[in-house]
Amino acid sequence: DAGVIQSPRHEVTEMGQEVTLRCKPISGHDYLFWYRQTMMRGLELLIYFNNNVPIDDSGMPEDRFSAKMPNASFSTLKIQPSEPRDSAVYFCASSLFWGAPTDTQYFGPGTRLTVL
Amino acid sequence: ELKVEQNPLFLSMQEGKNYTIYCNYSTTSDRLYWYRQDPGKSLESLFVLLSNGAVKQEGRLMASLDTKARLSTLHITAAVHDLSATYFCAVEAGTASKLTFGTGTRLQVTL
Repeated sequence: DAGVIQSPRHEVTEMGQEVTLRCKPISGHDYLFWYRQTMMRGLELLIYFNNNVPIDDSGMPEDRFSAKMPNASFSTLKIQPSEPRDSAVYFCASSLFWGAPTDTQYFGPGTRLTVL
Repeated sequence: ELKVEQNPLFLSMQEGKNYTIYCNYSTTSDRLYWYRQDPGKSLESLFVLLSNGAVKQEGRLMASLDTKARLSTLHITAAVHDLSATYFCAVEAGTASKLTFGTGTRLQVTL
């Protein structure tokens, strides 16, 4: 099993540019989560999907952030326009059946975003 | 709003010693998780704790849950260098709801 796949692994961009982060969940997993990790705020959930439908987007910081899941094997997180304070590591995670007693979330390797 | 606090934030310990990391949370929870993160790496799930009094062990790590006290502990027995990492607890407030992560405890095991 390839695990959760994220691309790119590193992204450096300039303020004002559009950034798109990509995630491929583990095959068969119905839940997909996007997290952001920073030194100041720790690890925080941005949004999660169930069967491609957004369930909770209360963690999305502002309108500059958007996430989509067009099919079961692909999701994107877009920032437009990007700002230096968006610099962080963005993780994608997936779960087979979130809510089942012993289920867990499997994290991808993360995308380190630097906005200059 | 669910709050999750860990302490200590940083722990330096010698090989062979025992220590405990604490995780307190503010509201009733369905599940509590412990994750490990190596520097610059992703998060790896260690334990899922479901009910009051639950105890799980894997190697030198043992996690327990007291839902009445809203407290989980991660006990390290006879630490070895390979355990050096950051450990996070995470709490799920309701079934199939989001996880709220603690601040993390950075563990450094020295020779």
